[in-house]
Amino acid sequence: AIQMTQSPSSLSASVGDRVIITCRASQDITNDLAWYQQKPGKAPNLLIYAASSLQSGVPSRFSGSGSGTDFTLTISALQPEDFASYYCLQDFNYPRTFGQGTKVEIK
Amino acid sequence: EAQLVESGGGLVQPGGSLRLSCTASGFTLSAFWVTWVRQAPGKGLEWVANINEDGSLKSSVDSVEGRFTISRDNAKNSVYLEVNSLRVADRAIYYCARDLNVRDANTYYDAFDLWGPGTVVTVSS
Repeated sequence: AIQMTQSPSSLSASVGDRVIITCRASQDITNDLAWYQQKPGKAPNLLIYAASSLQSGVPSRFSGSGSGTDFTLTISALQPEDFASYYCLQDFNYPRTFGQGTKVEIK
Repeated sequence: EAQLVESGGGLVQPGGSLRLSCTASGFTLSAFWVTWVRQAPGKGLEWVANINEDGSLKSSVDSVEGRFTISRDNAKNSVYLEVNSLRVADRAIYYCARDLNVRDANTYYDAFDLWGPGTVVTVSS
């Protein structure tokens, strides 16, 4: 199975900060990658698919980039509602695999 | 409003079985792939299984192969996950999600745009 490694595992940031989360795949997955946000006690929410396509209704401060093995999720200006956990997911092959998650906390 | 709701979770002893259901309202589930994802207490997300629109294609993670079976009944707008030979390690919230399966040229991308609130499976003696 393809291993997805996110970094950092957690970070502290302030409202208005630019936040970058990275996800590395153990092999080339072209652009078959999605990003999800999850708040405590809630189901995940789709942010990005196909590495850089913004899901309808998701604020434009979220963006995704990368291809091959290295990907990033960028939040251009962190808002109070963005404090949550973020997960990458590869859909290059089966079984699909998630990264271990990145928790974004308030500084 | 489009919604997914899971049901069927509960407390079961090791080796026991449950049938989890994922029922859609406000849209026709038969037009979509459906995925099950689970989350153990305090842990990250784990992809479990998926099924295509007519039930002819299914995949699952190795750790549940031979124990979990995904199926669907499009007449009931529902997808199921039969979970057998349960282990303590299977304790988790089980979510179902609708997959938009977005097409771009010759490639399809998973995009789980609608999720249920989850159903809790507890495995304990």
